[in-house]
Amino acid sequence: AQKITQTQPGMFVQEKEAVTLDCTYDTSDPSYGLFWYKQPSSGEMIFLIYQGSYDQQNATEGRYSLNFQKARKSANLVISASQLGDSAMYFCAMRGRSGNTGKLIFGQGTTLQVKP
Amino acid sequence: GAVVSQHPSRVICKSGTSVKIECRSLDFQATTMFWYRQFPKKSLMLMATSNEGSKATYEQGVEKDKFLINHASLTLSTLTVTSAHPEDSSFYICSASKSAATYEQYFGPGTRLTVT
Repeated sequence: AQKITQTQPGMFVQEKEAVTLDCTYDTSDPSYGLFWYKQPSSGEMIFLIYQGSYDQQNATEGRYSLNFQKARKSANLVISASQLGDSAMYFCAMRGRSGNTGKLIFGQGTTLQVKP
Repeated sequence: GAVVSQHPSRVICKSGTSVKIECRSLDFQATTMFWYRQFPKKSLMLMATSNEGSKATYEQGVEKDKFLINHASLTLSTLTVTSAHPEDSSFYICSASKSAATYEQYFGPGTRLTVT
């Protein structure tokens, strides 16, 4: 069975500082993908970054980077130079190929608040 | 590209009535669509996977007679909440994938259902 765990229900960060949101996962699939999504209060799910299990390098997208440690089964999101608009709920998710459905399994989420 | 819409964005209905939520992929063909349910401050829970032209695959614990899913075309999937009750009040989000083989999934903006 696949499982995603986010152990930080809430996080605070000072504006312009960097913050790391934790995510660990468990899967028996040899090939899988890891995602991070941002969900502001409006409810829309905003895709941030993707890491494939066979990717050699950690993914980066602007101020977002994914610290992928395959042996530890962790995929932490690092947000650099935090902005007030980064305040939102963040979800880590995994998609494997089990059953070929490609469905996403989400973690519990972390609420990030950026302080001015 | 890869825009997914949902209609309506908000709906209030009386207990015992049925409500239909539409999920459309606007600029691509979605062979697979997913329906999620989200309670406030909680994670997204997958309800069912919908493949065009075939019956939906429901997750364990989801009543298929309660939540009717139809995926009649490559751009439209519908979720009908039948005989709605207050406990069905929730945020429903759909996502669409171009194929089960690809990792990317595109989310709709969500529908907030309130049953009175």
